[in-house]
Amino acid sequence: QSALTQPASVSGSPGQSITISCTGTSSDVGGYNYVSWYQQYPGKAPKLMIYDVTNRPSGVSIRFSGSKSGNTASLTISGLQTEDEADYYCSSYASSSTYVFGTGTKVTVL
Amino acid sequence: QVQLQESGPGLVKPSQTLSLTCTVSGGSISGSYYWSWLRQHPGKGLEWIGYIYYSGRTYYNPSLKSRVTISVDTSKNEFSLKLSSVTAADTAVYYCARRTTGTTGFDYWGQGTLVTVSS
Repeated sequence: QSALTQPASVSGSPGQSITISCTGTSSDVGGYNYVSWYQQYPGKAPKLMIYDVTNRPSGVSIRFSGSKSGNTASLTISGLQTEDEADYYCSSYASSSTYVFGTGTKVTVL
Repeated sequence: QVQLQESGPGLVKPSQTLSLTCTVSGGSISGSYYWSWLRQHPGKGLEWIGYIYYSGRTYYNPSLKSRVTISVDTSKNEFSLKLSSVTAADTAVYYCARRTTGTTGFDYWGQGTLVTVSS
């Protein structure tokens, strides 16, 4: 199991949209519609933002959306706000009922 | 509102066994959930360790499988992690979390507990 590949950092100005990619293989991201995204502030536990590629848990802003094409999943944050500055991790269900996480992306609001 | 709380020693000696417990409040552990352990090395990304269904069926990360045991105590509404033969590479913040059957995201998390492996 290798970690999913994410860009180390992504930045944008308030109000803009940004997209974070998450690249895996046909054994994880490409093989299942089971990608999740987490937001994590420093020193805090991760928070589930998207599950099963496109679904938002109750209470998560509609500014967060997910998609997938082939072996790459994406998280889009629209109308970027200062409170969105955090680390973001993708995760995928993989074979044999296991999970693999991404390398993480630091989002900076300029 | 479901809450999860990790507890256990913050310092473990090399070669010993790391033991942590996650207490679940605000809901029953005996539901359609997978109770999970994850960890995050200092300044690094997240790593899935494994999870257990309330019935006792377990699933482990292949890279840790030989050293990990996850168990559940439904009478105490808690589940536990044991990681044997620890080294400095096991120093991390350990989180417990819940996954709901039928979805694949971890929707509730504990606050995390730092475990340092050092003599």
